[in-house]
Amino acid sequence: SQTIHQWPATLVQPVGSPLSLECTVEGTSNPNLYWYRQAAGRGLQLLFYSVGIGQISSEVPQNLSASRPQDRQFILSSKKLLLSDSGFYLCASLRGRTEAFFGQGTRLTVV
Amino acid sequence: QKEVEQNSGPLSVPEGAIASLNCTYSDRVSQSFFWYRQYSGKSPELIMSIYSNGDKEDGRFTAQLNKASQYVSLLIRDSQPSDSATYLCAVGGTGNQFYFGTGTSLTVIP
Repeated sequence: SQTIHQWPATLVQPVGSPLSLECTVEGTSNPNLYWYRQAAGRGLQLLFYSVGIGQISSEVPQNLSASRPQDRQFILSSKKLLLSDSGFYLCASLRGRTEAFFGQGTRLTVV
Repeated sequence: QKEVEQNSGPLSVPEGAIASLNCTYSDRVSQSFFWYRQYSGKSPELIMSIYSNGDKEDGRFTAQLNKASQYVSLLIRDSQPSDSATYLCAVGGTGNQFYFGTGTSLTVIP
């Protein structure tokens, strides 16, 4: 079965510091991969999605970037974090070609 | 991003009652629709998917889709305290993107 691994589970970072969140998928090949952010009390905002290695689509211009160096690896990065980058970051993939499922998420607090 | 609208609630129902959750979406070409349940501090989990107009039933859950009205709903029958969570409506875009509403918080009162 397909599973998504995300780490770390929680992260506290100072303003201006860099960020790297990693997501890996098991049990499938060439998956569609997604990064979402959920700010406190808000819905899921689609940040990036990828249909293959090196292919990244950005939904919202912001302080973040994404990369897909390997088929089942998706990385979310920032060079300098802002307070507004705080939130719950979720990596997602597809099951059965149409249904999105999520990793356990990373709760990021920028202080 | 495509718009998906939900009433944020909170919605409170007594145990055993029917909970009704509603969602509207803006993109007329959307073809796939989903309901996720999210417990506090956890990631969302898929509970229902629907692709055609009409009703789809799975246990105590019924999803209803009306593409002409751009409306999706979720009914939870015989609500249980364990159903207390935030319910997220999601709509599939044309390029395998998924857009989520802000969620409706449901509390089932014992």
